[in-house]
Amino acid sequence: LAKTTQPISMDSYEGQEVNITCSHNNIATNDYITWYQQFPSQGPRFIIQGYKTKVTNEVASLFIPADRKSSTLSLPRVSLSDTAVYYCLVVGTSGSARQLTFGSGTQLTVLP
Amino acid sequence: GAVVSQHPSWVICKSGTSVKIECRSLDFQATTMFWYRQFPKQSLMLMATSNEGSKATYEQGVEKDKFLINHASLTLSTLTVTSAHPEDSSFYICSAGQWGADGELFFGEGSRLTVL
Repeated sequence: LAKTTQPISMDSYEGQEVNITCSHNNIATNDYITWYQQFPSQGPRFIIQGYKTKVTNEVASLFIPADRKSSTLSLPRVSLSDTAVYYCLVVGTSGSARQLTFGSGTQLTVLP
Repeated sequence: GAVVSQHPSWVICKSGTSVKIECRSLDFQATTMFWYRQFPKQSLMLMATSNEGSKATYEQGVEKDKFLINHASLTLSTLTVTSAHPEDSSFYICSAGQWGADGELFFGEGSRLTVL
């Protein structure tokens, strides 16, 4: 299982861009990188997923270097409502939920 | 989009009683659902994989006789915490869906169990 390492916490101010980096040195060839967001007392919510290079959707961008040993979630112009825990997961395509291993996550706190 | 719903969202029970939590996939069929447990300030831990029409697969350290899982239909999985004790108090979350290149795993809202 590819273990992920993220910073435990980060602080930012409203309107700033936030970049959260995740290390996954043992990522396998067929693994995808997926990020989830979790608010207190709620289930995780899918943010973005990618395999390589850059992926962008309406809420975030995901940057993955060529070696794929790390990835960076970029949240543009954060607001107070973006305060949450962000989880980086490395997910295989074989379908086993055991590959859905949640690391410690990063507690992002957006300050006014 | 696809939604996974849990019920109840919170429950308080006395020690020694059993509590059932339901997980439903609202607009898709799920042959497989997953149950997680999350303690305060901690990450999600996979407890078991619920398989429609067959026995659940439990992760190491999870007591199958204590956490009964029934996946009776393609849209419903239930987790029953039997003879609950205070140490079973936790946030239980289910999920279903697909992952990988073309999929997305959807999580329920979670169920907060407090055992007195």
